[in-house]
Amino acid sequence: QKEVEQNSGPLSVPEGAIASLNCTYSDRGSQSFFWYRQYSGKSPELIMFIYSNGDKEDGRFTAQLNKASQYVSLLIRDSQPSDSATYLCAVNLRDDKIIFGKGTRLHILP
Amino acid sequence: GAGVSQTPSNKVTEKGKYVELRCDPISGHTALYWYRQSLGQGPEFLIYFQGTGAADDSGLPNDRFFAVRPEGSVSTLKIQRTERGDSAVYLCASSASRADTGELFFGEGSRLTVL
Repeated sequence: QKEVEQNSGPLSVPEGAIASLNCTYSDRGSQSFFWYRQYSGKSPELIMFIYSNGDKEDGRFTAQLNKASQYVSLLIRDSQPSDSATYLCAVNLRDDKIIFGKGTRLHILP
Repeated sequence: GAGVSQTPSNKVTEKGKYVELRCDPISGHTALYWYRQSLGQGPEFLIYFQGTGAADDSGLPNDRFFAVRPEGSVSTLKIQRTERGDSAVYLCASSASRADTGELFFGEGSRLTVL
């Protein structure tokens, strides 16, 4: 069973601090990795994708990938109350089947 | 339309009834995915299509669930003999190309309640 694991949280972070979200995956052949944000009652929307080992930055967001450790993370700098949401890690298995983790609930404290 | 459209947005049915959920993807998107999401859980993969064919249907829970995409655009998820455990939000997503190079665009979902 190919899996994506995330801590369900909630993760509480003070406004302005860095939020760190983590994800591990079981299929070593996975090719690409995604972070989606889902507000309560809404559908997921893409924040970041990453294919290569290392860091990828986009504004306040940084995705990190370590294929050897089968680990993906998302850093959110200068956290804002509007960042409060559930963050879903998604993995594209080698055959284009995309599976999601259970998500981590993030709460930014004003 | 500009985005992925799903109908109905809400469906309440009785146990044992047949249900159809429709997804109209973004025009030109070749890949179409169906997921099921229960409260507090992530989207659970059901099936995905490349064009008209089901490329992977390994997530369909059992033979009561079936999905089609006859012309490579609109897709219908069909559930026979519904059970209370089928209650969830059913999400459809489309992608412009191979999913490893593009994002999934989700519809607003169809909330199914089986009484």
